[in-house]
Amino acid sequence: DADVTQTPRNRITKTGKRIMLECSQTKGHDRMYWYRQDPGLGLRLIYYSFDVKDINKGEISDGYSVSRQAQAKFSLSLESAIPNQTALYFCATSDLSGTHSEQFFGPGTRLTVL
Amino acid sequence: GENVEQHPSTLSVQEGDSAVIKCTYSDSASNYFPWYKQELGKRPQLIIDIRSNVGEKKDQRIAVTLNKTAKHFSLHITETQPEDSAVYFCAASPQSGYALNFGKGTSLLVTP
Repeated sequence: DADVTQTPRNRITKTGKRIMLECSQTKGHDRMYWYRQDPGLGLRLIYYSFDVKDINKGEISDGYSVSRQAQAKFSLSLESAIPNQTALYFCATSDLSGTHSEQFFGPGTRLTVL
Repeated sequence: GENVEQHPSTLSVQEGDSAVIKCTYSDSASNYFPWYKQELGKRPQLIIDIRSNVGEKKDQRIAVTLNKTAKHFSLHITETQPEDSAVYFCAASPQSGYALNFGKGTSLLVTP
């Protein structure tokens, strides 16, 4: 089945380290998103991309960067990780059909920054 | 930017009762309002959505209502079952783009 996958699923790192989270999808969708989930704060948008040449900042982009290497891949980087970036990170995709369409989420990456 | 408020943050009901979760939004240009369900340890999944040209939508035991004038929308679950226990998120999408702004979530517990 077409799906959204994320690697790694769990990661523990130290303050100051560079971290990359990867997202791949086989749904053939053009739009990809990175969200962060913290208890009691819901899902907050970090970055999103509507195609390979398009990168847009979300609500909480400071401290993060992204790369859209291909239609199917969207990676999130933390250049110098800090403890308050400890969270559950979700990648999501949606397609271009219609005015709005469902976002499909990956399984999530649990990141701990010590 | 868009601000989505969601209430209550926790909700406990007995099996068979109804549950209602309410959201308000700030951007009058928002025109798409989905609801996502996230079971423990799982990814969020869309359960129902509504567009601004519709006031109500139903899918079996779940329904969503939208009041554009008051800028609020609600999720209604009837005849609740233990498997309805999860965190529910509302969201709104501004007209200018398609990224979603989520509420902070409601943790629903259905007790047998």
